[in-house]
Amino acid sequence: ELKVEQNPLFLSMQEGKNYTIYCNYSTTSDRLYWYRQDPGKSLESLFVLLSNGAVKQEGRLMASLDTKARLSTLHITAAVHDLSATYFCAVALYGGGATNKLIFGTGTLLAVQP
Amino acid sequence: EAGVTQFPSHSVIEKGQTVTLRCDPISGHDNLYWYRRVMGKEIKFLLHFVKESKQDESGMPNNRFLAERTGGTYSTLKVQPAELEDSGVYFCASKARAQGNTIYFGEGSWLTVV
Repeated sequence: ELKVEQNPLFLSMQEGKNYTIYCNYSTTSDRLYWYRQDPGKSLESLFVLLSNGAVKQEGRLMASLDTKARLSTLHITAAVHDLSATYFCAVALYGGGATNKLIFGTGTLLAVQP
Repeated sequence: EAGVTQFPSHSVIEKGQTVTLRCDPISGHDNLYWYRRVMGKEIKFLLHFVKESKQDESGMPNNRFLAERTGGTYSTLKVQPAELEDSGVYFCASKARAQGNTIYFGEGSWLTVV
């Protein structure tokens, strides 16, 4: 059974600081998603990482994927309060020719303090 | 373009009653998914439609849950009879068949069974 472990579960950081959220998974997959969720809102797609060594950046967020290590990271640079949210990683499983049954991590609640 | 919409946003029902959740995917998206998050747990896959066909329903917890997708458009998820442990947030998501990899989520339907 595929397991996705995300850490930390909770992250309190100061504005301007850098930090990394880690996502480890237990079986082979070459597609990994990062989502952001604000309270009561939908899961907003941040990144889709498709191959080993993939790196994508959007603003202060950068995500990378190492399929050999079964590890993805979400790096936050110079955090600002607007980044406060819950961040999820999710790994895609395939079956019957169909894609994207997602296995989610537990989520990381990020609180950026002024 | 409208996103994935879900109705109702919140529902409180008594144990033993029936609830039907509705999801309208993004227009033209063949893939439709249901997920749920019960208190303190990860977001879990329930099932996947491609058009009107159930591609994968391995995540459906038991036969009290029935999902349909009439005509390959909107989908409903019925819980009958509801139990206390069914409380949680039910997310719907959709994805275009041929283009892109992004899976778009709705805001979820919050179900409380009392």
